[in-house]
Amino acid sequence: QLQLQESGPGLVKPSETLSLACSVSGGSITINSDYWGWIRQSPGQGLEWLGSTSSSGSAYYNPSVKSRITISVDTSKNQFSLRLSSVTAADTAIYYCARQTYCSPLGCYGFTLAWFDPWGPGTLVTVSS
Amino acid sequence: QSVLTQPPSASGTPGQGVTISCSGSGSNIRSNTVNWYQQLPGTAPKLLIYRNNQRPSGVPDRFSGSRSGTSASLAISGLQSEDEGDYFCAAWDDSLNRWVFGGGTKLTVL
Repeated sequence: QLQLQESGPGLVKPSETLSLACSVSGGSITINSDYWGWIRQSPGQGLEWLGSTSSSGSAYYNPSVKSRITISVDTSKNQFSLRLSSVTAADTAIYYCARQTYCSPLGCYGFTLAWFDPWGPGTLVTVSS
Repeated sequence: QSVLTQPPSASGTPGQGVTISCSGSGSNIRSNTVNWYQQLPGTAPKLLIYRNNQRPSGVPDRFSGSRSGTSASLAISGLQSEDEGDYFCAAWDDSLNRWVFGGGTKLTVL
């Protein structure tokens, strides 16, 4: 059973770079039909997709953070990472990593017809001096 | 303001049924498929319905999804106390070039 686990600092200073890693266990990160994504949830707010990448490095980013974000994959460690630069208090949130997959027992459909499953438990990152 | 619109709250008594709506537009729900996520208190979201009406293994058949035009719905029958939590709809938006989520509906089982 595939499991994901986020790790990284819980406190980041304004203007610095937020860095998180997501370890994948119970399966390989190199499956062709899978992307690996980051989604955040501000306290009491809804969900915001930040970006997703394939194991080959094909990345898609939310335009609202595109200038500040990098998502990368380390296949040797079976993990992927998030870097978000120039953070402000508005970046304070629970950060979730998730597999974005578009293949089911009934077929394969493509990136925009995918779904996120499973999710990691999430990690709270606070931006404060 | 979320791109997909959901009612902020819904409620029902044990055993009853409830439906949660998700309203979007031609660039998201009409053009792409809708997924639903359940977030129980203090936990991460969990996939409940994918591709409009498909249930992942392990999700009870009390949960069902549908899509028509620019709207989608999640129906829950036989409400149980453990169904209390937040429910989010999601879809890819072809105009915004990103995944968009509804603001979430908090379900209370009275």
